Amino acid sequence: SYELTQPTSVSVSPGQTARITCSGDALPKQYAYWYQQKPGQAPVLVIYKDNERPSGIPERFSGSGSGTTVTLTISGVQAEDEADYYCQSVDSSNTYLVFGGGTKLTVL
Amino acid sequence: EVQLVESGGGLVQPGGSLRLSCAASGFTFSSYDMHWVRQATGKGLEWVSGIGTAGDTYYPGSVKGRFTISRENATNSLYLQMNSLRAEDTAVYYCARAPSCSSTSCYRYFDYWGQGTLVTVSS
Repeated sequence: SYELTQPTSVSVSPGQTARITCSGDALPKQYAYWYQQKPGQAPVLVIYKDNERPSGIPERFSGSGSGTTVTLTISGVQAEDEADYYCQSVDSSNTYLVFGGGTKLTVL
Repeated sequence: EVQLVESGGGLVQPGGSLRLSCAASGFTFSSYDMHWVRQATGKGLEWVSGIGTAGDTYYPGSVKGRFTISRENATNSLYLQMNSLRAEDTAVYYCARAPSCSSTSCYRYFDYWGQGTLVTVSS
């Protein structure tokens, strides 16, 4: 079955830039999406179609991709950005949705 | 305002059945694909099932043959019938909205989520 791989954790100091990667064989052909989840809350979409930001999501959130790896970048990290982040995509048939294992972002 | 409210979770014995519901409001329900996503305590997100606007359904191998997703557009409701439940099905189950596919494109992602309902499978 298709898998997306993320680092388990990323730590940054306030004001620095956090980069969270997600790798998958189908990513060159399928879009990636990113969700933020804070404890006890439902996930929130922060990036769609690789690099588009939904309304209401701060400009410091951006997405990019190169080959089989996509990256969520948070510029000028704030304490409120501490959360779990999940990438999501679909398999090569565009039928089965899959999530990465999640990355815990810690703001030091 | 888009709202998705799940209900129907609870404690069920292994091998038992449960039916989850999701009440949608604030948007034209019939024009969107709908999905269920679950999350075991302390674990990651797992896609459970999806249904398109035409009633086409999709399942991962982990639940295929045991779970059935359905929708009732007249009442803006989404359902998940879960049979032959196992301990590993224990999780918070989220209802999530997704853009529908057009004739030229199909972007499968979740733009709104409910708050979830807890399903516990235990004897």
